[in-house]
Amino acid sequence: EAGVTQFPSHSVIEKGQTVTLRCDPISGHDNLYWYRRVMGKEIKFLLHFVKESKQDESGMPNNRFLAERTGGTYSTLKVQPAELEDSGVYFCASSQRAGGFGELFFGEGSRLTVL
Amino acid sequence: AQSVAQPEDQVNVAEGNPLTVKCTYSVSGNPYLFWYVQYPNRGLQFLLKYITGDNLVKGSYGFEAEFNKSQTSFHLKKPSALVSDSALYFCAVSRPSGGYNKLIFGAGTRLAVHP
Repeated sequence: EAGVTQFPSHSVIEKGQTVTLRCDPISGHDNLYWYRRVMGKEIKFLLHFVKESKQDESGMPNNRFLAERTGGTYSTLKVQPAELEDSGVYFCASSQRAGGFGELFFGEGSRLTVL
Repeated sequence: AQSVAQPEDQVNVAEGNPLTVKCTYSVSGNPYLFWYVQYPNRGLQFLLKYITGDNLVKGSYGFEAEFNKSQTSFHLKKPSALVSDSALYFCAVSRPSGGYNKLIFGAGTRLAVHP
């Protein structure tokens, strides 16, 4: 069974540019999460999808971030325009059950560097 | 504010010695507690969780963790460390007021096991 896959693994862009990160969850997992780790600090929650619906987007930093999950399969996270402080590792995770009860399956992360 | 603290950035242990990676939390209600591990160039992997019941929980790769409600701690332990245990370890909690649907992570502790 394929795990959670994320693309790209590393993206280097200039301030003001746009980047789109993609996450393919494990097949059949309705719950999809985005997290971010900045500068070696805590891994912070960004948002949670149940199928195609945003269950909780309380962690999204501002309106430069847009997440979508059309059709309830893969998800994209767009940053537009990117700022220096957006640099970090963006993790996607999926689960069958809502995250508090069962373990989450994480992708390897997409490292974003904004110059 | 809800938070998870991992007081040590790095823990160094000789192979064969016991190891402890510390975690304390500040979360209202009855949280669920988790440990995840990140090996180099890999995504986070679930190690173990505490939901209810016995305060000592056993997980993957010989790890265990002890829940201490009075000290609000959930330290990760292993009786005999292996060089292959060297990795980044994250403690996490989910909380009832959040519907247990998202994890709050600590900043991570790097474990280095020396031969």
